[in-house]
Amino acid sequence: EVQLVESGGGLVQPGGSLRLSCAASGFTFSSYEMNWVRQAPGKGLEWVSYISSSGSTIYYADSVKGRFTISRDNAKNSLYLQMNSLRAEDTAVYYCARDRLGVADRYYYYYMDVWGKGTTVTVSS
Amino acid sequence: SSELTQDPAVSVALGQTVRITCQGDSLRSYYASWYQQKPGQAPVLVIYGKNNRPSGIPDRFSGSSSGNTASLTITGAQAEDEADYYCNSRDSSGSVVFGGGTKLTVL
Repeated sequence: EVQLVESGGGLVQPGGSLRLSCAASGFTFSSYEMNWVRQAPGKGLEWVSYISSSGSTIYYADSVKGRFTISRDNAKNSLYLQMNSLRAEDTAVYYCARDRLGVADRYYYYYMDVWGKGTTVTVSS
Repeated sequence: SSELTQDPAVSVALGQTVRITCQGDSLRSYYASWYQQKPGQAPVLVIYGKNNRPSGIPDRFSGSSSGNTASLTITGAQAEDEADYYCNSRDSSGSVVFGGGTKLTVL
């Protein structure tokens, strides 16, 4: 069964750090790009970061650039998100999601076909 | 980065057809994908590409695109379709962008 399982969430004080992990199983992890997506309480989905299959290409949302670092260990089938200088507005459920790419007609399309159940991060004093 | 705009809320009578739209400049270059999210659950992919459904998604869900607008249509809405729906695409810089979400109520 294709599966993603996040861990590492918890309560942290403003300015603190946390490292999230996402364990992949049931597919060849090293062949897929991955994303972190978060959802603040009562709010919509917000993309956080993307990493290519090799780790050579990385993108961040402006809201986390310079504070968060995405990485992966293909030998361990794991994705990570190191979160530093945490703020109250980083409070959210954090999901990892598998990224896919296709082409039809003259259009590219991207989609996230597998999602974990999420891990909750609460930033509060 | 570019934005994707969705109506915050839409309602439909049980068994009727509803269309949920998503507007944004990036949709002139990329097909949108659509996700269903029920309370307390992770998002689930329902439509991707030109009009593709993952295995297990009912065929009452369909997608279409024209210009800068993508649409998700539910033909014969069921009570279990009541959920939040999000569109998703990329912008020219490679950043991922989500719409603000549409809350669908089935009456």
